[in-house]
Amino acid sequence: KQEVTQIPAALSVPEGENLVLNCSFTDSAIYNLQWFRQDPGKGLTSLLLIQSSQREQTSGRLNASLDKSSGRSTLYIAASQPGDSATYLCAVRGAGSYQLTFGKGTKLSVIP
Amino acid sequence: DAGVIQSPRHEVTEMGQEVTLRCKPISGHNSLFWYRQTMMRGLELLIYFNNNVPIDDSGMPEDRFSAKMPNASFSTLKIQPSEPRDSAVYFCASSAGTDLYGYTFGSGTRLTVV
Repeated sequence: KQEVTQIPAALSVPEGENLVLNCSFTDSAIYNLQWFRQDPGKGLTSLLLIQSSQREQTSGRLNASLDKSSGRSTLYIAASQPGDSATYLCAVRGAGSYQLTFGKGTKLSVIP
Repeated sequence: DAGVIQSPRHEVTEMGQEVTLRCKPISGHNSLFWYRQTMMRGLELLIYFNNNVPIDDSGMPEDRFSAKMPNASFSTLKIQPSEPRDSAVYFCASSAGTDLYGYTFGSGTRLTVV
């Protein structure tokens, strides 16, 4: 059974700092990995989707990497802003499966 | 594109009552998922449909939970009778068959059973 772990559970940084959020998964047989953002009381907003054949994806100040063999992904946020404060969730879709398995998330606070 | 639409946004009900949550997926998406989010367990898949057919309902916690997808543009998740431990946020998500774009989630229904 796929398990997804996100470390740290919470992170507080000053505005302007670059930061990295970590995601690890136990079964490397994946189809893709998706990073989501969730604001308090809101739904999930997709940030980046990395297919299993890809190494990274970029969108603006966000860069996500994938090392399938080691079961790891990172989400890099450059020049953090208070508006980046949210919970970031990593989700893995297993090969041959439609199911997304989620980590518990990292709650990010960017302090002005 | 209005995205995945869920209703109601909030639902407060008394224990024992029937609760029905609704979802309209993105037009053209052929896969639909119901997830439940709690503080303790995070996001858990309850059931998923492909082309309106339930494919995997192993995540449905009890017989009190049932889900239907009568057509490609509508799905319901019903809890009867509801219990306080059902209190959670319920999300609906949809995806296209090619899966090049991942999953799109609705805004969720926050259910409180008192």
